[in-house]
Amino acid sequence: DGGITQSPKYLFRKEGQNVTLSCEQNLNHDAMYWYRQDPGQGLRLIYYSQIVNDFQKGDIAEGYSVSREKKESFPLTVTSAQKNPTAFYLCASSIKTKGSNQPQHFGDGTRLSIL
Amino acid sequence: DQQVKQNSPSLSVQEGRISILNCDYTNSMFDYFLWYKKYPAEGPTFLISISSIKDKNEDGRFTVFLNKSAKHLSLHIVPSQPGDSAVYFCAGKGKTSYDKVIFGPGTSLSVIP
Repeated sequence: DGGITQSPKYLFRKEGQNVTLSCEQNLNHDAMYWYRQDPGQGLRLIYYSQIVNDFQKGDIAEGYSVSREKKESFPLTVTSAQKNPTAFYLCASSIKTKGSNQPQHFGDGTRLSIL
Repeated sequence: DQQVKQNSPSLSVQEGRISILNCDYTNSMFDYFLWYKKYPAEGPTFLISISSIKDKNEDGRFTVFLNKSAKHLSLHIVPSQPGDSAVYFCAGKGKTSYDKVIFGPGTSLSVIP
């Protein structure tokens, strides 16, 4: 079955530690995204990538970094610079969006908590 | 500045009745709107969409209505079923070179058997 796999489902971070959230898709989608969800808020865009080896900052990129070395993979690193990292993180992918309207497909998320 | 608003955080409806979820937007550049449904501890799943050139789109029990002049859209679920209990996110998208999707805060729907 095609889909998006996020791992781990739960992750704990110590103070001053960087952690990396995995996102893999086998939908052959060009575009991939990372969102953050906090209670009572919508999904806020952290980073997105429309093509391999290229990515752009979203609305709340500070304290995060990404890479896109392969089409299938878009890992997100939450760095120690992110002072409030506790949240539910969602990865999504879609067919390339420029000039077209295609819905995004989401993974099941990673819940990150601070120890 | 919240570009997509869902002013009702929660809604309860009796099974078999109609559920109406509302959404308002401020960005006049949006030309495509989507509704997503989300169960706890899962990612959102795409439900239905509508282009700004239409005022209604129907898919089974789900209908989305768009009123461009009022910058308002609504999702109707008829008849409501207990399995529809979830959080529903409204989202808008523009048609510039990169079309970022902007999500609302969500409405939690409870369908009571």
